[in-house]
Amino acid sequence: QKEVEQDPGPLSVPEGAIVSLNCTYSNSAFQYFMWYRQYSRKGPELLMYTYSSGNKEDGRFTAQVDKSSKYISLFIRDSQPSDSATYLCAKTQGAQKLVFGQGTRLTINP
Amino acid sequence: DTEVTQTPKHLVMGMTNKKSLKCEQHMGHRAMYWYKQKAKKPPELMFVYSYEKLSINESVPSRFSPECPNSSLLNLHLHALQPEDSALYLCASSQDRQGSQPQHFGDGTRLSIL
Repeated sequence: QKEVEQDPGPLSVPEGAIVSLNCTYSNSAFQYFMWYRQYSRKGPELLMYTYSSGNKEDGRFTAQVDKSSKYISLFIRDSQPSDSATYLCAKTQGAQKLVFGQGTRLTINP
Repeated sequence: DTEVTQTPKHLVMGMTNKKSLKCEQHMGHRAMYWYKQKAKKPPELMFVYSYEKLSINESVPSRFSPECPNSSLLNLHLHALQPEDSALYLCASSQDRQGSQPQHFGDGTRLSIL
């Protein structure tokens, strides 16, 4: 079993829809959780970063962590074509490593 | 634009060439990282430098040689690479070596080995 599982998609939704991206993880050690967005031919861009269970909101983006279920989610409200990208969930492993999910390819159709 | 700058953006080299990838950050971060990313796959960690000292080497072949001349710069020296080494090479930095600070990535160098 991979330490972080993420459905690779692809996921295609109409503009304006609410997008839900999800990951599960298997290790329960002390850790932080991140969501990165990666456009084609670009590096991963940090979107959200959290430690605690619960919700963290930043504009149209909400990150949700449920440590009891080992589930992390990213919600995108009022999705735009410019949100079309690959979304990577990640968690820390020890002090210096990140473990990534496989990434979900998202397309927002105008 | 990212705050981690990588050069060159693209590199094509033969298997007998020697080349270097460069990474620079001016955020005062003390931990820097090299990752390799193949198409449609997540980044894979190669090396970690913490306070200019190599702290993690993920069993990377010796044809990849990292160097950290100072706290702002990170190099990756390449020699005798194989076609399977063709990938996007990403540099990242974080404030310190503890997992409490997130990693920030550059846009990478796209490397092709002929």
